[in-house]
Amino acid sequence: KAGVTQTPRYLIKTRGQQVTLSCSPISGHRSVSWYQQTPGQGLQFLFEYFSETQRNKGNFPGRFSGRQFSNSRSEMNVSTLELGDSALYLCASGFGGSLQETQYFGPGTRLLVL
Amino acid sequence: AQSVTQPDIHITVSEGASLELRCNYSYGATPYLFWYVQSPGQGLQLLLKYFSGDTLVQGIKGFEAEFKRSQSSFNLRKPSVHWSDAAEYFCAVGRYAGNMLTFGGGTRLMVKP
Repeated sequence: KAGVTQTPRYLIKTRGQQVTLSCSPISGHRSVSWYQQTPGQGLQFLFEYFSETQRNKGNFPGRFSGRQFSNSRSEMNVSTLELGDSALYLCASGFGGSLQETQYFGPGTRLLVL
Repeated sequence: AQSVTQPDIHITVSEGASLELRCNYSYGATPYLFWYVQSPGQGLQLLLKYFSGDTLVQGIKGFEAEFKRSQSSFNLRKPSVHWSDAAEYFCAVGRYAGNMLTFGGGTRLMVKP
């Protein structure tokens, strides 16, 4: 069974640009959550999607947005990139979106903003 | 608001020695508690989780954790550490509704031969 796939794995952008990251969950999973990981702030929750609906949102500015498609694949978009957006972006997938079920994390997309 | 504290940023143990990683949480209700491990260049892997019931939880790779409500702690233990256990360990707390985890700052474990 294939794991969670995130593309691209590495990305370099410049300030002011926008970026789109993709996450393909494990087959059959309907929940996708996104996290940002930085050395200074650690792991922080961005948002969660379940059956194409955003169910929870973390404390991030509106430049961070996401969506989920009918096949459960999810994308997150960051507009007007800032240096502080450099981070490892992780997504996690689960069946029904309950914490009693195991969430499986992908390897992450490492974004560097210059 | 919920929060998680991992007091030890770095820990070094000798191979074969026992290990305990500390985790303290702050949460208004009965928490859902987790330990994850992250190896370099990889995502997070779930080691174990606690929702209710027996306060001693067994996980993968020989890890266990004990929930102590009176101390608001969920410490991770392993009786004998292997070199392959060198990684970063994260404690996390979640709430019943939704799928959002709040993570601690992590503890980086180094294993001496």
